[in-house]
Amino acid sequence: EAGVAQSPRYKIIEKRQSVAFWCNPISGHATLYWYQQILGQGPKLLIQFQNNGVVDDSQLPKDRFSAERLKGVDSTLKIQPAKLEDSAVYLCASSFRGVGEKLFFGSGTQLSVL
Amino acid sequence: GNSVTQMEGPVTLSEEAFLTINCTYTATGYLSLFWYVQYPGEGLQLLLKATKADDKGSNKGFEATYRKETTSFHLEKGSVQVSDSAVYFCALIPMDTGRRALTFGSGTRLQVQP
Repeated sequence: EAGVAQSPRYKIIEKRQSVAFWCNPISGHATLYWYQQILGQGPKLLIQFQNNGVVDDSQLPKDRFSAERLKGVDSTLKIQPAKLEDSAVYLCASSFRGVGEKLFFGSGTQLSVL
Repeated sequence: GNSVTQMEGPVTLSEEAFLTINCTYTATGYLSLFWYVQYPGEGLQLLLKATKADDKGSNKGFEATYRKETTSFHLEKGSVQVSDSAVYFCALIPMDTGRRALTFGSGTRLQVQP
């Protein structure tokens, strides 16, 4: 089966610019996650969707980050404006139901903010 | 909040050596514990899991036992191979809340030399 698809693979922007990442989960997976992984740290959850509804966005910096999952399938994560500390790998993951089930991760988007 | 602490890396071993990567956690309630692995250039993937106290998860020669009394989930393998070189992440999910997303440790890099 096809895995979780993410694009772009790499992105370099200057601070205060905006950027968007795209994720297409595995077909039929109801739960979608966005994680932020800063170099040398473990992934940190930004937002969790169940179908097209938000389950948890408590760690999403809502003044600059936004995410949507229209029609309960693919998702976009946007940063506007970007800060230097947003440099990280942004990981998308999906699972069939999300209830402690196995997560399938994409390869991530590596963002460098200069 | 919940947290996961892993031993710092890198861990450098010779092929066929015994591996232990320590993982302890701070969390209460009903938990599931996981080890995820990230091979070079690839996305995170589930290695093994345990869903209740004293459970042993195993896969590809790796094992970890959920020890509630010591709040630990140490990863072990009797004989490592060069192909095991990767970053290993310990993680947990609280199963008795509505927000069932993974909390990760910071990761431990394993380097196996021939």
